[in-house]
Amino acid sequence: EDQVTQSPEALRLQEGESSSLNCSYTVSGLRGLFWYRQDPGKGPEFLFTLYSAGEEKEKERLKATLTKKESFLHITAPKPEDSATYLCAVQYGWTEGNKLTFGTGTQLKVEL
Amino acid sequence: DAGVTQSPTHLIKTRGQQVTLRCSPKSGHDTVSWYQQALGQGPQFIFQYYEEEERQRGNFPDRFSGHQFPNYSSELNVNALLLGDSALYLCASSSRPGASGGFGAETQYFGPGTRLLVL
Repeated sequence: EDQVTQSPEALRLQEGESSSLNCSYTVSGLRGLFWYRQDPGKGPEFLFTLYSAGEEKEKERLKATLTKKESFLHITAPKPEDSATYLCAVQYGWTEGNKLTFGTGTQLKVEL
Repeated sequence: DAGVTQSPTHLIKTRGQQVTLRCSPKSGHDTVSWYQQALGQGPQFIFQYYEEEERQRGNFPDRFSGHQFPNYSSELNVNALLLGDSALYLCASSSRPGASGGFGAETQYFGPGTRLLVL
């Protein structure tokens, strides 16, 4: 079954304590992997699109990487304002259009 | 540049009623996708519209229907509401599949959502 799995489900960090979030996928014909940030009660905010294994993208304290089986979102020296749920999603296949298939997210809490 | 807009922001309905949610895509986009997000879960794909037709559909019953207008805005209709339909409904806009060339992925940008509560 095509699947997207995120881990951990929840993560608590101290300010400045770097860490990584994982997104593993089992789909055929990956066309793109997406990372979004979602604050409570709001719509997901786009962060990155990765298209092929080996690709990396950075934005401020965030860096996303992609392999053939998984993606990592690295958070360097996080601040309390980085607290949010981080969602991973994929587009795949040649007949699936461009719907997004999401994982369940990692809830990040950064404390002072 | 206005992003994706949705209305209303919140809605309370009772079982059996019908509801219509609305979405305007980001400027320059012609494709609208709808997602349902239950509490603590990732968004689930409902359907996608471009050129005023439903192009792709997720695993949702026929009670969920939609429409796209010539200006690319879209509506999501849900009939015979059930308690389990309570969720955050998200609209996402993008360029149509293949717009970036071949089978390249198209980034979707989300609106703020409509929170639906069914009592």
